[in-house]
Amino acid sequence: EADIYQTPRYLVIGTGKKITLECSQTMGHDKMYWYQQDPGMELHLIHYSYGVNSTEKGDLSSESTVSRIRTEHFPLTLESARPSHTSQYLCASKTGSRSPLHFGNGTRLTVT
Amino acid sequence: AQSVAQPEDQVNVAEGNPLTVKCTYSVSGNPYLFWYVQYPNRGLQFLLKYITGDNLVKGSYGFEAEFNKSQTSFHLKKPSALVSDSALYFCAVRDPASGGSYIPTFGRGTSLIVHP
Repeated sequence: EADIYQTPRYLVIGTGKKITLECSQTMGHDKMYWYQQDPGMELHLIHYSYGVNSTEKGDLSSESTVSRIRTEHFPLTLESARPSHTSQYLCASKTGSRSPLHFGNGTRLTVT
Repeated sequence: AQSVAQPEDQVNVAEGNPLTVKCTYSVSGNPYLFWYVQYPNRGLQFLLKYITGDNLVKGSYGFEAEFNKSQTSFHLKKPSALVSDSALYFCAVRDPASGGSYIPTFGRGTSLIVHP
Protein backbone atom coordinates (compact mmCIF):
# COMPACT_ATOMS: atom_id res chain seq x y z
CA GLU A 1 0.00 0.00 0.00
CA ALA A 2 1.08 3.61 -0.58
CA ASP A 3 3.57 5.23 1.77
CA ILE A 4 1.96 8.61 1.40
CA TYR A 5 -0.29 9.90 4.14
CA GLN A 6 -2.91 12.59 4.20
CA THR A 7 -4.60 14.03 7.25
CA PRO A 8 -7.32 14.60 8.09
CA ARG A 9 -9.37 12.14 6.01
CA TYR A 10 -12.55 14.15 6.50
CA LEU A 11 -12.99 17.77 7.55
CA VAL A 12 -16.07 19.94 7.97
CA ILE A 13 -15.42 23.60 8.69
CA GLY A 14 -17.20 26.93 8.54
CA THR A 15 -16.70 29.64 5.95
CA GLY A 16 -13.75 31.95 6.59
CA LYS A 17 -11.68 29.47 8.58
CA LYS A 18 -8.02 28.87 7.84
CA ILE A 19 -7.10 25.23 7.31
CA THR A 20 -4.05 23.19 6.43
CA LEU A 21 -4.24 19.81 4.75
CA GLU A 22 -1.26 17.64 5.57
CA CYS A 23 0.60 15.36 3.17
CA SER A 24 3.70 13.33 4.01
CA GLN A 25 5.57 10.61 2.16
CA THR A 26 8.27 8.26 3.38
CA MET A 27 9.61 7.21 -0.02
CA GLY A 28 12.09 10.06 -0.49
CA HIS A 29 10.31 11.20 -3.64
CA ASP A 30 11.40 14.60 -4.92
CA LYS A 31 8.25 15.45 -6.89
CA MET A 32 4.96 16.08 -5.12
CA TYR A 33 1.52 17.18 -6.35
CA TRP A 34 -1.87 18.35 -5.10
CA TYR A 35 -4.99 17.52 -7.06
CA GLN A 36 -8.59 18.61 -6.53
CA GLN A 37 -11.13 16.01 -7.53
CA ASP A 38 -14.66 17.21 -8.19
CA PRO A 39 -17.80 15.08 -7.80
CA GLY A 40 -17.72 14.38 -11.52
CA MET A 41 -14.45 12.50 -10.93
CA GLU A 42 -12.13 14.69 -12.98
CA LEU A 43 -8.74 15.52 -11.45
CA HIS A 44 -7.42 19.08 -11.50
CA LEU A 45 -3.79 19.87 -10.70
CA ILE A 46 -3.60 22.80 -8.28
CA HIS A 47 0.02 22.78 -7.06
CA TYR A 48 3.24 20.86 -7.57
CA SER A 49 6.81 20.78 -6.36
CA TYR A 50 9.99 19.37 -7.87
CA GLY A 51 11.93 19.51 -4.62
CA VAL A 52 12.67 21.45 -1.46
CA ASN A 53 11.88 25.17 -1.81
CA SER A 54 10.28 24.57 -5.23
CA THR A 55 6.54 25.18 -5.66
CA GLU A 56 4.45 25.95 -8.73
CA LYS A 57 0.77 26.57 -9.45
CA GLY A 58 -1.05 24.04 -11.55
CA ASP A 59 -3.74 24.29 -14.19
CA LEU A 60 -6.63 25.05 -11.88
CA SER A 61 -6.72 28.48 -10.31
CA SER A 62 -6.76 28.00 -6.58
CA GLU A 63 -6.85 30.25 -3.57
CA SER A 64 -4.64 27.83 -1.69
CA THR A 65 -0.91 27.95 -1.04
CA VAL A 66 1.70 25.24 -0.49
CA SER A 67 5.17 24.97 0.98
CA ARG A 68 8.01 22.46 0.61
CA ILE A 69 10.47 22.97 3.41
CA ARG A 70 11.25 19.27 3.78
CA THR A 71 11.35 16.59 1.10
CA GLU A 72 8.76 14.43 2.83
CA HIS A 73 6.20 17.14 3.67
CA PHE A 74 3.95 19.13 1.29
CA PRO A 75 1.11 20.85 3.16
CA LEU A 76 -1.68 22.79 1.47
CA THR A 77 -3.22 25.83 3.20
CA LEU A 78 -6.50 27.62 2.60
CA GLU A 79 -6.35 31.05 4.25
CA SER A 80 -10.12 31.57 4.17
CA ALA A 81 -12.27 28.61 3.30
CA ARG A 82 -15.38 29.05 1.14
CA PRO A 83 -18.19 26.65 0.15
CA SER A 84 -16.67 26.53 -3.36
CA HIS A 85 -13.63 24.79 -1.81
CA THR A 86 -15.78 21.80 -0.92
CA SER A 87 -14.07 18.91 -2.71
CA GLN A 88 -11.73 15.96 -2.36
CA TYR A 89 -8.03 16.85 -2.24
CA LEU A 90 -5.50 14.24 -3.32
CA CYS A 91 -1.76 14.41 -2.70
CA ALA A 92 0.68 12.44 -4.85
CA SER A 93 4.40 11.91 -5.25
CA LYS A 94 6.81 10.37 -7.70
CA THR A 95 10.47 9.98 -8.39
CA GLY A 96 12.03 9.28 -11.80
CA SER A 97 10.83 10.27 -15.23
CA ARG A 98 9.17 6.92 -15.98
CA SER A 99 7.62 6.34 -12.58
CA PRO A 100 3.90 6.43 -11.83
CA LEU A 101 2.35 8.70 -9.25
CA HIS A 102 1.74 7.37 -5.75
CA PHE A 103 -1.44 8.81 -4.23
CA GLY A 104 -2.59 9.30 -0.69
CA ASN A 105 -6.15 8.41 0.29
CA GLY A 106 -7.29 12.00 0.13
CA THR A 107 -8.94 14.60 2.35
CA ARG A 108 -12.63 15.18 1.82
CA LEU A 109 -13.29 18.81 2.73
CA THR A 110 -16.73 20.30 3.31
CA VAL A 111 -17.07 24.03 3.90
CA THR A 112 -20.42 25.09 5.34
CA ALA B 1 1.09 19.50 -25.88
CA GLN B 2 -0.33 16.30 -24.46
CA SER B 3 -3.93 15.22 -24.04
CA VAL B 4 -5.88 12.09 -23.26
CA ALA B 5 -9.51 11.12 -23.80
CA GLN B 6 -11.69 8.51 -22.17
CA PRO B 7 -14.76 8.49 -24.38
CA GLU B 8 -17.02 6.56 -22.01
CA ASP B 9 -18.19 7.97 -18.68
CA GLN B 10 -19.48 4.55 -17.68
CA VAL B 11 -18.95 0.96 -18.77
CA ASN B 12 -21.30 -1.82 -17.72
CA VAL B 13 -20.32 -5.47 -17.96
CA ALA B 14 -21.58 -8.74 -16.54
CA GLU B 15 -19.36 -10.70 -14.18
CA GLY B 16 -17.27 -13.24 -16.06
CA ASN B 17 -17.41 -11.31 -19.33
CA PRO B 18 -14.40 -9.54 -20.82
CA LEU B 19 -14.11 -5.82 -20.19
CA THR B 20 -12.54 -2.95 -22.08
CA VAL B 21 -12.07 0.62 -20.89
CA LYS B 22 -11.01 2.90 -23.71
CA CYS B 23 -8.29 5.54 -23.79
CA THR B 24 -6.87 7.59 -26.64
CA TYR B 25 -4.04 10.08 -26.42
CA SER B 26 -2.25 12.84 -28.26
CA VAL B 27 1.43 13.72 -27.86
CA SER B 28 4.11 15.10 -30.11
CA GLY B 29 6.52 12.21 -29.59
CA ASN B 30 6.43 8.76 -28.02
CA PRO B 31 4.15 8.67 -24.99
CA TYR B 32 4.44 7.35 -21.48
CA LEU B 33 1.00 5.89 -20.68
CA PHE B 34 -0.49 4.88 -17.34
CA TRP B 35 -3.68 3.37 -15.96
CA TYR B 36 -4.89 3.97 -12.43
CA VAL B 37 -7.87 2.64 -10.45
CA GLN B 38 -9.76 4.44 -7.70
CA TYR B 39 -11.99 2.66 -5.21
CA PRO B 40 -14.54 4.60 -3.13
CA ASN B 41 -13.03 6.97 -0.57
CA ARG B 42 -9.50 6.11 -1.65
CA GLY B 43 -6.77 7.69 -3.71
CA LEU B 44 -5.72 6.46 -7.13
CA GLN B 45 -3.72 3.22 -7.35
CA PHE B 46 -1.30 2.50 -10.16
CA LEU B 47 -2.30 -0.47 -12.36
CA LEU B 48 0.15 -0.57 -15.25
CA LYS B 49 2.24 1.52 -17.59
CA TYR B 50 3.67 1.56 -21.08
CA ILE B 51 7.04 3.20 -21.56
CA THR B 52 8.67 1.25 -24.39
CA GLY B 53 8.96 -2.29 -25.70
CA ASP B 54 6.19 -4.87 -25.95
CA ASN B 55 2.86 -3.30 -26.92
CA LEU B 56 0.94 -5.59 -24.56
CA VAL B 57 1.46 -4.60 -20.96
CA LYS B 58 0.34 -6.71 -18.02
CA GLY B 59 -0.47 -5.17 -14.66
CA SER B 60 -2.09 -5.73 -11.30
CA TYR B 61 -5.29 -7.70 -10.62
CA GLY B 62 -5.22 -9.44 -14.02
CA PHE B 63 -5.51 -6.24 -16.05
CA GLU B 64 -3.62 -5.63 -19.26
CA ALA B 65 -3.46 -2.88 -21.84
CA GLU B 66 -2.42 -2.72 -25.46
CA PHE B 67 -0.47 0.20 -26.85
CA ASN B 68 -1.51 0.94 -30.44
CA LYS B 69 0.59 3.68 -31.94
CA SER B 70 -1.31 3.92 -35.24
CA GLN B 71 -4.63 4.38 -33.45
CA THR B 72 -3.06 6.39 -30.58
CA SER B 73 -4.88 4.18 -28.12
CA PHE B 74 -4.11 2.42 -24.86
CA HIS B 75 -7.25 0.47 -23.95
CA LEU B 76 -7.45 -1.35 -20.63
CA LYS B 77 -8.68 -4.93 -20.76
CA LYS B 78 -9.42 -7.90 -18.57
CA PRO B 79 -10.53 -11.32 -19.86
CA SER B 80 -13.05 -12.03 -17.09
CA ALA B 81 -14.55 -9.23 -14.99
CA LEU B 82 -15.18 -9.50 -11.26
CA VAL B 83 -17.73 -7.55 -9.22
CA SER B 84 -14.78 -6.30 -7.18
CA ASP B 85 -13.38 -4.62 -10.32
CA SER B 86 -16.16 -2.03 -10.06
CA ALA B 87 -14.35 1.29 -9.58
CA LEU B 88 -13.20 4.43 -11.36
CA TYR B 89 -10.45 4.04 -13.94
CA PHE B 90 -8.16 6.82 -15.09
CA CYS B 91 -5.85 6.88 -18.07
CA ALA B 92 -2.87 9.27 -18.00
CA VAL B 93 -0.27 10.33 -20.54
CA ARG B 94 3.03 12.11 -20.29
CA ASP B 95 5.07 13.36 -23.20
CA PRO B 96 8.75 12.85 -22.32
CA ALA B 97 9.62 15.32 -25.05
CA SER B 98 8.03 18.04 -22.94
CA GLY B 99 11.35 18.81 -21.35
CA GLY B 100 11.55 19.14 -17.61
CA SER B 101 7.84 18.81 -17.00
CA TYR B 102 6.94 15.74 -14.95
CA ILE B 103 3.21 16.40 -15.01
CA PRO B 104 0.95 13.75 -16.50
CA THR B 105 -2.39 14.62 -18.05
CA PHE B 106 -5.30 12.56 -16.76
CA GLY B 107 -8.45 11.55 -18.56
CA ARG B 108 -11.83 12.39 -17.09
CA GLY B 109 -12.23 8.87 -15.72
CA THR B 110 -14.51 5.95 -16.56
CA SER B 111 -16.80 4.33 -14.03
CA LEU B 112 -16.73 0.55 -14.46
CA ILE B 113 -19.74 -1.31 -13.10
CA VAL B 114 -19.62 -5.10 -13.05
CA HIS B 115 -23.00 -6.72 -12.50
CA PRO B 116 -23.30 -10.07 -10.67
